[in-house]
Amino acid sequence: DQQVKQNSPSLSVQEGRISILNCDYTNSMFDYFLWYKKYPAEGPTFLISISSIKDKNEDGRFTVFLNKSAKHLSLHIVPSQPGDSAVYFCAARNSGTYKYIFGTGTRLKVLA
Amino acid sequence: DAGVIQSPRHEVTEMGQEVTLRCKPISGHNSLFWYRQTMMRGLELLIYFNNNVPIDDSGMPEDRFSAKMPNASFSTLKIQPSEPRDSAVYFCASSLGQVNQPQHFGDGTRLSIL
Repeated sequence: DQQVKQNSPSLSVQEGRISILNCDYTNSMFDYFLWYKKYPAEGPTFLISISSIKDKNEDGRFTVFLNKSAKHLSLHIVPSQPGDSAVYFCAARNSGTYKYIFGTGTRLKVLA
Repeated sequence: DAGVIQSPRHEVTEMGQEVTLRCKPISGHNSLFWYRQTMMRGLELLIYFNNNVPIDDSGMPEDRFSAKMPNASFSTLKIQPSEPRDSAVYFCASSLGQVNQPQHFGDGTRLSIL
């Protein structure tokens, strides 16, 4: 049973526009969420996180939104750049545990 | 600062051989994780160490897999004997304990068992 779902395996966006990556979760005990970016032949790199006490966290071009009632989070990248082309994973955990559950990833392609 | 270092980056070996993957976590991190990534199952947690002690190995697929952490700066994941279905990318990650800290990943070992 997939507790963290990224239903879009891929996304293409024009350079300069907004990229929106989505993630849904089923476990209401999750209270800490992260986004990772992964380039080919490299490990996932931490991008941004959000705690369940917030509904938004921003870091430069990257903003994560959390909708607890819908059990949904999204990552917004504005403006998108070709260097943002990568696979993006969301991950979630209950802060009482150590184990992160990862989504299956969304491949973002930013077109120049 | 050096990140998580894994070796080798690539390993190709024949079925039945022993395979040892190595990981050096980030200095000062006291939690270490081994993951396996496959197309079918995505990123799966195999085992978690805290302060060099294995806390949860429920993700280890079977007895052919074993992991050790003899000290705070080194861990190994061993497969003996290896099988073709073990082919995957294996990642090691470390983090600062159990507070809300992200895990930092190495670049992985791509393992191919022929």
